[in-house]
Amino acid sequence: GENVEQHPSTLSVQEGDSAVIKCTYSDSASNYFPWYKQELGKGPQLIIDIRSNVGEKKDQRIAVTLNKTAKHFSLHITETQPEDSAVYFCAARGNNFNKFYFGSGTKLNVKP
Amino acid sequence: ETGVTQTPRHLVMGMTNKKSLKCEQHLGHNAMYWYKQSAKKPLELMFVYSLEERVENNSVPSRFSPECPNSSHLFLHLHTLQPEDSALYLCASSQEVVGGGLYNEQFFGPGTRLTVL
Repeated sequence: GENVEQHPSTLSVQEGDSAVIKCTYSDSASNYFPWYKQELGKGPQLIIDIRSNVGEKKDQRIAVTLNKTAKHFSLHITETQPEDSAVYFCAARGNNFNKFYFGSGTKLNVKP
Repeated sequence: ETGVTQTPRHLVMGMTNKKSLKCEQHLGHNAMYWYKQSAKKPLELMFVYSLEERVENNSVPSRFSPECPNSSHLFLHLHTLQPEDSALYLCASSQEVVGGGLYNEQFFGPGTRLTVL
């Protein structure tokens, strides 16, 4: 089955700086890669996603890049704000469209 | 709010108790999921229901028993749990197309924080 690894497990940045979280996957058949943000006491919420036929996608301060050859994808947050502090999860989905494989999460702390 | 609600939000139970977790989605989706979230571990998919039929059971112990009476409701019945079952249990839903081919977002509920004493 698919194996998704996520790094780093914790990340602390100063407000205004950029944050980068990286994930790798093992199954070359995976074709959909969402990123979720989970705030304390809440379930994960989708913040951005990318399909396998696209190399990069941007939504305001958030961007995701995908390298299919290397089987890795990254989340980039620019101009970080304290409200960006949360746990971020990457995920990969393959041909079994009901099944997502999640990374272990990155706890992002944005210091004001 | 994501349109997926879960009750109760917190549950403390003894190992001999029987309890149920409830999930309801108001999004008109046709697939529902149970995940287990433990500290410092990836989300673990437990069960998947698509069109009210169970399509995935990820080697979950029989002390967890899911039920999907209709496309809007999902239950997780718990009995004789162990302390290591303490975790956040998340429900999610999505709109899936038979045959796949679409990349549909999963919407998560807020979870039930379960503590087994």
